[in-house]
Amino acid sequence: ETGVTQSPTHLIKTRGQQVTLRCSSQSGHNTVSWYQQALGQGPQFIFQYYREEENGRGNFPPRFSGLQFPNYSSELNVNALELDDSALYLCASTSRLAGPSTDTQYFGPGTRLTVL
Amino acid sequence: AQSVSQHNHHVILSEAASLELGCNYSYGGTVNLFWYVQYPGQHLQLLLKYFSGDPLVKGIKGFEAEFIKSKFSFNLRKPSVQWSDTAEYFCAVNAFGNEKLTFGTGTRLTIIP
Repeated sequence: ETGVTQSPTHLIKTRGQQVTLRCSSQSGHNTVSWYQQALGQGPQFIFQYYREEENGRGNFPPRFSGLQFPNYSSELNVNALELDDSALYLCASTSRLAGPSTDTQYFGPGTRLTVL
Repeated sequence: AQSVSQHNHHVILSEAASLELGCNYSYGGTVNLFWYVQYPGQHLQLLLKYFSGDPLVKGIKGFEAEFIKSKFSFNLRKPSVQWSDTAEYFCAVNAFGNEKLTFGTGTRLTIIP
């Protein structure tokens, strides 16, 4: 157990719908990153949040958006769902002080999203 | 942009066999290197990491990895595997000063009792 929690565990949506996934970071961690892991692939970086602002983004369209709250928890929102969005969505947290952290990122169990 | 290659997609070994999983990365600058493991039904866990110093790093559960800068490699090794090592193994890299992790596609390891 890493202390990073995600909800829900599983989710089934239909194409075109919107979804919100949630992540609570490990105690003391102020930086949250989101990753998408398609079946048979390694996780791919979506974006990162630090001090409630997006701080780095991977190759994902704007319909992937997020939020970070004052308690450092985070949400990932995906609009206009497509079939290819079916994947395991992982949240990872780490602690950053003055600059980018060299500390380990700790991953949550993920949310399995299925788009029909 | 950095990339990571894991050439072994599925490895099957008997218990007590030695293990080496390959990982090569592509990036011109200073990197941090990681091996994560995902046991069936569990979340990604850190096995070991290299930031600087001794290129031979030791991790949990008897795993070790060697960073060879000239070969852009960070291979994972274990002298004697156990059935409980059955899992998916991911090599990852981030550029120094950037927390974004780039993962390889993973190697599925199956240990036969």
